[in-house]
Amino acid sequence: GQNIDQPTEMTATEGAIVQINCTYQTSGFNGLFWYQQHAGEAPTFLSYNVLDGLEEKGRFSSFLSRSKGYSYLLLKELQMKDSASYLCAVMDSNYQLIWGAGTKLIIKP
Amino acid sequence: NAGVTQTPKFRVLKTGQSMTLLCAQDMNHEYMYWYRQDPGMGLRLIHYSVGEGTTAKGEVPDGYNVSRLKKQNFLLGLESAAPSQTSVYFCASTSQPPSGIAYEQYFGPGTRLTVT
Repeated sequence: GQNIDQPTEMTATEGAIVQINCTYQTSGFNGLFWYQQHAGEAPTFLSYNVLDGLEEKGRFSSFLSRSKGYSYLLLKELQMKDSASYLCAVMDSNYQLIWGAGTKLIIKP
Repeated sequence: NAGVTQTPKFRVLKTGQSMTLLCAQDMNHEYMYWYRQDPGMGLRLIHYSVGEGTTAKGEVPDGYNVSRLKKQNFLLGLESAAPSQTSVYFCASTSQPPSGIAYEQYFGPGTRLTVT
């Protein structure tokens, strides 16, 4: 079966750096997405990786290793507004998105 | 632009009742999707549409029907609600077909449905 694994919850301190991991086993691979979802709100797009390596976008970076079935989202200079759930999703060989359950990130002052 | 809107925001149904959830987008997107989100689970695709007049089944279509009579609207119907359909429902749209390039799904604010 297809599977996306993410930690359920993480806690970090304001101003620090946090890495949220995502491992996947899917039927084929056509890219990996990260979305942010604040409590009670809609998911919003953060990043997309299809080739191995690091994609940087401001305070957020996303890394992909296709051979390891692994990605991480790196958040730097954490702010209180970064408290949210972070969803990892993989597009399989049929171009269907398989979503992880999300990682709830709690930022403490 | 309002983006993607959903009506209603909250609803409580009794088992066996029916209802329709409305999704509207003003971005002229071809592709529209209905998901459900349950605690501890990833988003699951219910039905989707690749253009006006078309619909297709997703991962969990049973108990739901959809229609896309107008490009900007995508309706999700529950004919006979069951407690297992208690969930948060999200509509999403995109201008691009799913492919091996970056594309962003724009999500609506969600409908919180409770079936008692």
